[in-house]
Amino acid sequence: GIQVEQSPPDLILQEGANSTLRCNFSDSVNNLQWFHQNPWGQLINLFYIPSGTKQNGRLSATTVATERYSLLYISSSQTTDSGVYFCAVEMVKAAGNKLTFGGGTRVLVKP
Amino acid sequence: NAGVTQTPKFQVLKTGQSMTLQCAQDMNHEYMSWYRQDPGMGLRLIHYSVGAGITDQGEVPNGYNVSRSTTEDFPLRLLSAAPSQTSVYFCASSYSRGAGEKLFFGSGTQLSVL
Repeated sequence: GIQVEQSPPDLILQEGANSTLRCNFSDSVNNLQWFHQNPWGQLINLFYIPSGTKQNGRLSATTVATERYSLLYISSSQTTDSGVYFCAVEMVKAAGNKLTFGGGTRVLVKP
Repeated sequence: NAGVTQTPKFQVLKTGQSMTLQCAQDMNHEYMSWYRQDPGMGLRLIHYSVGAGITDQGEVPNGYNVSRSTTEDFPLRLLSAAPSQTSVYFCASSYSRGAGEKLFFGSGTQLSVL
């Protein structure tokens, strides 16, 4: 199956700092989504981004499908950005959202 | 709008016991799925459904059964619980059968099997 690797595994930021999270995948994908899991365990969908660039407030994401990677940018980080960020992909255009998840990047934003 | 609702939030079982994790969504989503999350790891797909009456296996289906009698509900059954099934279970749904719809998650069920 498809392999999904995220880096770095852990990230400690000072409030206000910017950061970039990376997701590499081993095969062509038709579906790529970024999720944030907050410290209470809730998973929130941030982006559906199989290619191109999207922005939502202080967060933005870019996927370069031909080179098999995606980047998530956090600008002016806040303590509420703490948690684990997951990248998830689906290789083929199949029915539904059978996503394969990466291992996540754990982010801690210090005040 | 409640979204995706999972019950119970916490459960402790003894080895060999059976139980059903409940999942309901009120968004008229066709696609529903179950994932498990083990400590320090990403989520792994257990079973999924692309519509009422249709289910299929994901990456780690052994030890779990599902059914989809209505659009709203997608229960996950553990027939004979084992310690290896200790995990956090998440139910998720998306609008259509097609790939590419945003996936929405419930708040999770933390299960311990002793």
